[in-house]
Amino acid sequence: DQQVKQNSPSLSVQEGRISILNCDYTNSMFDYFLWYKKYPAEGPTFLISISSIKDKNEDGRFTVFLNKSAKHLSLHIVPSQPGDSAVYFCAARAGRGTYKYIFGTGTRLKVLA
Amino acid sequence: GAGVSQSPSNKVTEKGKDVELRCDPISGHTALYWYRQRLGQGLEFLIYFQGNSAPDKSGLPSDRFSAERTGESVSTLTIQRTQQEDSAVYLCASSFVEARGTQYFGPGTRLLVL
Repeated sequence: DQQVKQNSPSLSVQEGRISILNCDYTNSMFDYFLWYKKYPAEGPTFLISISSIKDKNEDGRFTVFLNKSAKHLSLHIVPSQPGDSAVYFCAARAGRGTYKYIFGTGTRLKVLA
Repeated sequence: GAGVSQSPSNKVTEKGKDVELRCDPISGHTALYWYRQRLGQGLEFLIYFQGNSAPDKSGLPSDRFSAERTGESVSTLTIQRTQQEDSAVYLCASSFVEARGTQYFGPGTRLLVL
């Protein structure tokens, strides 16, 4: 039972264009969402987060959008750079008062120079 | 370095043997997590420790898996009688409680069970 789904295993984008990575979740109790980036042979690194009381959070080139009614969030990277090429994981906190996070299966982004 | 460290970085073992994986969290981080990532899959929660509270072991896949943490320092994940399906990258992460959600991950231990 995959509670956090990233249905696109890979994505290729031209340098300078927008990258959009999507994530769907099933449990309306999830209240906090994060995106992590992972390079090969390294652990994931935190990128950006959003609380369920918001619908948008922006940090430089990265923006996360949350649509609670659709149980969907997306990460926008603009403009995309070759250094953004990595695997991106979305994660959801399993509910208020818990520190348990459910991760998606990841989307491999390749930014073409 | 000030990051999360894990050892060994790679471990090859024979089916049926026990293995012990180690995680050194960032100093001062009260929360510590273990995850497993099988090939082509996402991060699978195994266990987390928070201060002196009882650990959440709900993600441990079987009683062959156990983990310990001494205070707010080192943690070890032990897999007894390893099976081939235990082959995966085992990731450890730590965080401040106050920094909600911001987990700092180690590089992982790649375990291969032959």
